Amino acid sequence: KNQVEQSPQSLIILEGKNCTLQCNYTVSPFSNLRWYKQDTGRGPVSLTIMTFSENTKSNGRYTATLDADTKQSSLHITASQLSDSASYICVVTPLMTTDSWGKLQFGAGTQVVVTP
Amino acid sequence: GAVVSQHPSRVICKSGTSVKIECRSLDFQATTMFWYRQFPKQSLMLMATSNEGSKATYEQGVEKDKFLINHASLTLSTLTVTSAHPEDSSFYICSARDRRQPTLAKNIQYFGAGTRLSVL
Repeated sequence: KNQVEQSPQSLIILEGKNCTLQCNYTVSPFSNLRWYKQDTGRGPVSLTIMTFSENTKSNGRYTATLDADTKQSSLHITASQLSDSASYICVVTPLMTTDSWGKLQFGAGTQVVVTP
Repeated sequence: GAVVSQHPSRVICKSGTSVKIECRSLDFQATTMFWYRQFPKQSLMLMATSNEGSKATYEQGVEKDKFLINHASLTLSTLTVTSAHPEDSSFYICSARDRRQPTLAKNIQYFGAGTRLSVL
C-alpha cells in the first residue's frame, strides 16, 4: 500500500481561482515533506520543503501546510494561472536512525488543469 | 544552482536495441544518483541507486542485467536499457544528491527533466 496518498486525483479550475490539494501519509517518523510540480514530459521541480516541526511554507502563490499530528499536508494555489497546469506530487522522506538516507515516498500526484 | 541535465529527452528505438541515457550534475558533485521510472498517471518508482565508483543498488524486481548503470564520475551516471522491448517504454527520470549536504537525513534530490523512451 502506498504510504503517500493524494487527493483529488485530478481537478479543473478556472484561471484566477484558488485550489487546495491534499496529501495524507503514513510514513513515520519522517524527515521532511516536499511538494513538487511536474509539467507533462518533464522532471519534478521542487516547490516547498517542510520538516516535521514546520506548519507552513510559502513559495510565491504556492502555500504548503503540514499537520504532523494528523499526518496531513496541503498545497494551496492562489490566483491560479494557465502555467499552473501540471501534476503536483507530494514526497515524504523517512527519518533514518542510522547514518543513511530514507527512500523517498512519492504520491501519485494530482493533475491540475487551469482553464481560461 | 543544483541543475541536473538529462539526455536525451526523447528516444524512439526498435525492439532489441540498447538505449543509453545520461544524467549529469552541472554545478555540483553527486556521489549518489538515483534512477526512477514513471508510468502514465503513476508515482515515480525508484529503480536503482547509483554510487560513484561502485556498483549500483537495484530495487526489488528491477533486472540489473536489463538496466545497466554506470557512475564513473562525480557528475555523470548513465542508464543503459539493454535489448529494449515495448514494455520498457516509459518515462525515465534521474536525480542527484549534492555531496555537500551536511546530513543524509534530508535526502535532497535534484531531478533531471526526464527521458521518454518509446520502443517500437
